[in-house]
Amino acid sequence: DADVTQTPRNRITKTGKRIMLECSQTKGHDRMYWYRQDPGLGLRLIYYSFDVKDINKGEISDGYSVSRQAQAKFSLSLESAIPNQTALYFCATSDPTGANYGYTFGSGTRLTVV
Amino acid sequence: AQSVSQHNHHVILSEAASLELGCNYSYGGTVNLFWYVQYPGQHLQLLLKYFSGDPLVKGIKGFEAEFIKSKFSFNLRKPSVQWSDTAEYFCAVNALGDKIIFGKGTRLHILP
Repeated sequence: DADVTQTPRNRITKTGKRIMLECSQTKGHDRMYWYRQDPGLGLRLIYYSFDVKDINKGEISDGYSVSRQAQAKFSLSLESAIPNQTALYFCATSDPTGANYGYTFGSGTRLTVV
Repeated sequence: AQSVSQHNHHVILSEAASLELGCNYSYGGTVNLFWYVQYPGQHLQLLLKYFSGDPLVKGIKGFEAEFIKSKFSFNLRKPSVQWSDTAEYFCAVNALGDKIIFGKGTRLHILP
């Protein structure tokens, strides 16, 4: 099994619909992140969580919300999807105290809003 | 605030050519530096990282990067590229304990 699992892998949804992207990890890391990737813009941070009770906005949090249900689970919601939220979304985890500090990424969710 | 600047958005090389991708960051304190690679249709994978010590860091697949503190740079190099190196490369930086900030990426296309 992958260390970081994202579901669904691909999703097409209509404008105005609510959608949830899910992320679960088996790394035992406290820190989890949601990024979106757009061509030419790199990865931009949406939300991050340093532990179960900690939620922080990233640089582009408008239109998104998150829920940290447990150490292993971090969900991203689009309350009312709009076309410019069409992107590739990545979840990541990290352990800054570990000798091998760096992100472990999930395989991504490709979201299309029509 | 931290930021990362990658000099080239798109690089095209022939096989066996040498590669250098530029990366500069802005942050006055101690940082960790990373290069990630994303092959077509895949997620990001760590190529190499610098935490401390020898500023010349060797990574997987023959890549290396040199941290030059005075220039706030962390350029990625490979002496001889292969067609399989076609991918997008991201430089990233974080201040200790903080989140990682990514550059906008460089698309590398290797001609066979």
